[in-house]
Amino acid sequence: DSGVTQTPKHLITATGQRVTLRCSPRSGDLSVYWYQQSLDQGLQFLIQYYNGEERAKGNILERFSAQQFPDLHSELNLSSLELGDSALYFCASGRVGLLGEKLFFGSGTQLSVL
Amino acid sequence: DAKTTQPTSMDCAEGRAANLPCNHSTISGNEYVYWYRQIHSQGPQYIIHGLKNNETNEMASLIITEDRKSSTLILPHATLRDTAVYYCIVRPNSGNTPLVFGKGTRLSVIA
Repeated sequence: DSGVTQTPKHLITATGQRVTLRCSPRSGDLSVYWYQQSLDQGLQFLIQYYNGEERAKGNILERFSAQQFPDLHSELNLSSLELGDSALYFCASGRVGLLGEKLFFGSGTQLSVL
Repeated sequence: DAKTTQPTSMDCAEGRAANLPCNHSTISGNEYVYWYRQIHSQGPQYIIHGLKNNETNEMASLIITEDRKSSTLILPHATLRDTAVYYCIVRPNSGNTPLVFGKGTRLSVIA
């Protein structure tokens, strides 16, 4: 158990719909990262938050947005869903130390868009 | 883009040491070498990381060459449960830089 909790584990929805994925980081971790993994693209970085502020952005579509709340949990919102958005979505949390930052990943949310 | 080069796949006999190489010839002085693995559709799992000294923990050993242009992850006694994709990643010690995953090495441990 990594200590990172993602809900829901599975999500099935239709094209055009909107969904919200939730991530609770490990206790004490200020950073949350979101990744997308589809069969043909591998693990793609989407976005990072640190203590409520956006820190880095990757290949995140404009239809996607995220935020980190004061209690440090994070949500990834996916709207106007398309078939190609079907993927595993992982979040990870970490904290920067003197000797680097280990990231701990949740077990992911499997999104199926039909 | 990933700054590392790894073999696409490797096999290892159960009980033997698995040695996974990684080239990172353009590594900068402030960049660490991280290793993660992903066991079939599970979340990636942190294994080990280092800057320039060799490192060992309960999971593995990390050997970094003196010029830091390559490294080797060693699983001393591979088991079937070590079958996974192993990712070698270089990353500065900064809270602003995400882990960038390449394609990794698919390690198959064979009974």
